[in-house]
Amino acid sequence: KAGVTQTPRYLIKTRGQQVTLSCSPISGHRSVSWYQQTPGQGLQFLFEYFSETQRNKGNFPGRFSGRQFSNSRSEMNVSTLELGDSALYLCASSPQLEPRANVLTFGAGSRLTVL
Amino acid sequence: AQSVSQHNHHVILSEAASLELGCNYSYGGTVNLFWYVQYPGQHLQLLLKYFSGDPLVKGIKGFEAEFIKSKFSFNLRKPSVQWSDTAEYFCAVNVPNGNNRLAFGKGNQVVVIP
Repeated sequence: KAGVTQTPRYLIKTRGQQVTLSCSPISGHRSVSWYQQTPGQGLQFLFEYFSETQRNKGNFPGRFSGRQFSNSRSEMNVSTLELGDSALYLCASSPQLEPRANVLTFGAGSRLTVL
Repeated sequence: AQSVSQHNHHVILSEAASLELGCNYSYGGTVNLFWYVQYPGQHLQLLLKYFSGDPLVKGIKGFEAEFIKSKFSFNLRKPSVQWSDTAEYFCAVNVPNGNNRLAFGKGNQVVVIP
């Protein structure tokens, strides 16, 4: 079955602009999580959605937001882009919220460069 | 919030050498533990996981990890590495309280020289 699909794979924006990233989870997966990966900070949790509701949020400013649709697809938005937002944004899906057998499957990521 | 420590960020070794990567976490309660691997140009993939039971878990490609609760550690090992094991390895922790949130370590960049 198809994996986690993220679009676009690469994009370049300038400071002050906004960006929307999309994630299509594995079919049947209802939980979608987002992570930011940078060389300096590593992988940091942004937020998790389940059944169209944000279930958990990491320590990021309000410029970072997301949503989930009824088909479990998710988008994240970053407004007023800053240079430090340049990163690989990873989406991960899992069948449901944690019972102990849950494992995240990651997509290839969207690489954002802010100039 | 829990934190995860991985030491020796850059590791260089020759084929057939043994590999051990350390992982320590800060949470005192029950945790789920994972090792993920990111090969050059590829996405993060699960290497192995620990939820409960036998503290020695085996994963793909000959990797294994040992959970030592008293040391808050989950170290990754492979007895004999291959060039194809060149990758970045991430340890991650989840606190099982109804979410899938992972706290990741900073990763170990492993280079295996043929």
